[in-house]
This record gives sequence, C-alpha cells and structure tokens, in this order.
Amino acid sequence: AQSVTQLDSQVPVFEEAPVELRCNYSSSVSVYLFWYVQYPNQGLQLLLKYLSGSTLVKGINGFEAEFNKSQTSFHLRKPSVHISDTAEYFCAVVPNTGNQFYFGTGTSLTVIP
Amino acid sequence: KAGVTQTPRYLIKTRGQQVTLSCSPISGHRSVSWYQQTPGQGLQFLFEYFSETQRNKGNFPGRFSGRQFSNSRSEMNVSTLELGDSALYLCASSPGGSGAYNEQFFGPGTRLTVL
Repeated sequence: AQSVTQLDSQVPVFEEAPVELRCNYSSSVSVYLFWYVQYPNQGLQLLLKYLSGSTLVKGINGFEAEFNKSQTSFHLRKPSVHISDTAEYFCAVVPNTGNQFYFGTGTSLTVIP
Repeated sequence: KAGVTQTPRYLIKTRGQQVTLSCSPISGHRSVSWYQQTPGQGLQFLFEYFSETQRNKGNFPGRFSGRQFSNSRSEMNVSTLELGDSALYLCASSPGGSGAYNEQFFGPGTRLTVL
C-alpha cells in the first residue's frame, strides 16, 4: 500500500524568502512522484514530476524538488517566493505497477507581503 | 486543446437526494478518474474509468457510482446524500494507455454542498 505525508498543513513565509514544503511517502514498490498546486476555486496544476534519472527535478514557476530514496522524501523548494505563490500544494505518488494517484493532505502556503 | 470540463461547477442538495456530476475529458484521453476533496481528508480517490470500464476503485460506499460513455465523457452519481458528502469533486483525465505512467490533467471541480 502507498501513503503520502505532508508534514506541514500550513506554511506562512514572507515575500522573497525561501520556502520548503515537505513530503514523505511510504510504498512497497517503486513510485513516481509529483507536486501539484491548487489555486482558489481551481483544479490541480502539475508543478513538477519525478519519473527517473536525476533526483533534482525542476518545475514551473521556479520550483524544484529533490527525490531522496533512502529517506523516502520528495521535498519542494523555491529560493524566493512571490505573493502569487499563495496556494495549496499537494504531493502525490503513483506506484510503478499501476496508475492510481495517492495524494497527501496538502500544505497551504501563504506568502506575506 | 480544450481542458477538462466539469459541470455543474456548484450544486446544492439536501440530505437524501441524489446527484449526478459530469466530466468531459481532454480530446483523445480515454481514462477519467474521480476524486473527492475535503479539508480534513485531502484528495481521496473514488474510481477510474477506462474505455467504459471501471479499472480502479477506491474505498467509498456503494452510494458512489460512476460510468463512462463511448465518447469518454464520464458521470458520477451519489445517491442518498449525507452531510459528509459535501466536498469538491475533481475529475482528471489521462491518455490511459498501457504502461505504468499517464499524466493526469484536472478539471476545476464541482463544489457540492449538502444541507
């Protein structure tokens, strides 16, 4: 079985400061990893994904994430946040044996002017 | 290409009623998945349809059902609504072919409120 834990439900951060949103997962098989962003009253938009290869993945809007297999983590980072980054962020895994997504409970990022 | 569309966007029902939500996937996509999003539980997988057949199912009661039509459009139905069914229902489409990974594209969701 798979599970995803997002360790922080809410993260406030000042504009132009760096941010890290944490994600840990548990799985008995290898997985693919994703980060999605959800703006108010919208669906989910893919930020970045790890399928294979380099463990450092770059996504849209200046975000990046690093896959750490030994720690089963996939933390999302941005060196300098903007007001427009205020949103809900979801980490998700898909086992490489199937195509069902398992989502974390989300982290609400609030950027403070 | 047009994105995933969901109708209606907002819905208010009372306990005991039933409701049908609709999802039109991206053109050419054959897989449609449904998720329930609530503040406490996050996104929970309901079911996935591929080529008119249910391919995966989450842990929801039988009151939640779905179907997919030959044009890949999908509907989900919730019967005997309960207050706890109030949620944002998201639909996601993907190409759905064989192989381990298919990127999912999400619609804007249907906000269901049960009074």
